[in-house]
Amino acid sequence: EAGVAQSPRYKIIEKRQSVAFWCNPISGHATLYWYQQILGQGPKLLIQFQNNGVVDDSQLPKDRFSAERLKGVDSTLKIQPAKLEDSAVYLCAGGTGNTIYFGEGSWLTVV
Amino acid sequence: GENVEQHPSTLSVQEGDSAVIKCTYSDSASNYFPWYKQELGKGPQLIIDIRSNVGEKKDQRIAVTLNKTAKHFSLHITETQPEDSAVYFCAALSSGNTPLVFGKGTRLSVIA
Repeated sequence: EAGVAQSPRYKIIEKRQSVAFWCNPISGHATLYWYQQILGQGPKLLIQFQNNGVVDDSQLPKDRFSAERLKGVDSTLKIQPAKLEDSAVYLCAGGTGNTIYFGEGSWLTVV
Repeated sequence: GENVEQHPSTLSVQEGDSAVIKCTYSDSASNYFPWYKQELGKGPQLIIDIRSNVGEKKDQRIAVTLNKTAKHFSLHITETQPEDSAVYFCAALSSGNTPLVFGKGTRLSVIA
């Protein structure tokens, strides 16, 4: 069974630039999550999708972050414009029921 | 909402010794408690989980215990090996569509 695929794995951008991360969850996983993990901390939920509908985006900074999950499969997370404090690992995860599986993450450095 | 506290933040043990990581949670409605292992440069990997209708679960060298009354759960690793060195996260989940809430992590170092 293929795991959660994420790209790019690493990205360095200047502040005020934009960046997009892509995620393809495990086939059949209706629920998709984007988490932000700042160095030395646990993952923090940004947004949760059920199929292509948003379940929870209360922690998403909507003035600069956006996410979509067209057709209920893969998803894109965008940051525009980026700030220095957005430097983090962006983890995509998918699951059915309670069990959640994470991708390897997209490491963002904003300089 | 749910709040998960995890201790200790760092833990060093000698190879072959046991390691114990403890977490507490605040929401009595939480009913699912997974543990993740995160190695450097990788995403969190689910290593074991426990549901609220079970008090203990074991898988080879790792075990998890749950005390619902006290609202705490623990990860036990026996006969530790250098490859157990990683950051371990506990998490808690309530029913429905509420998100998984993570602790801040424990950096485990197993010294050969």
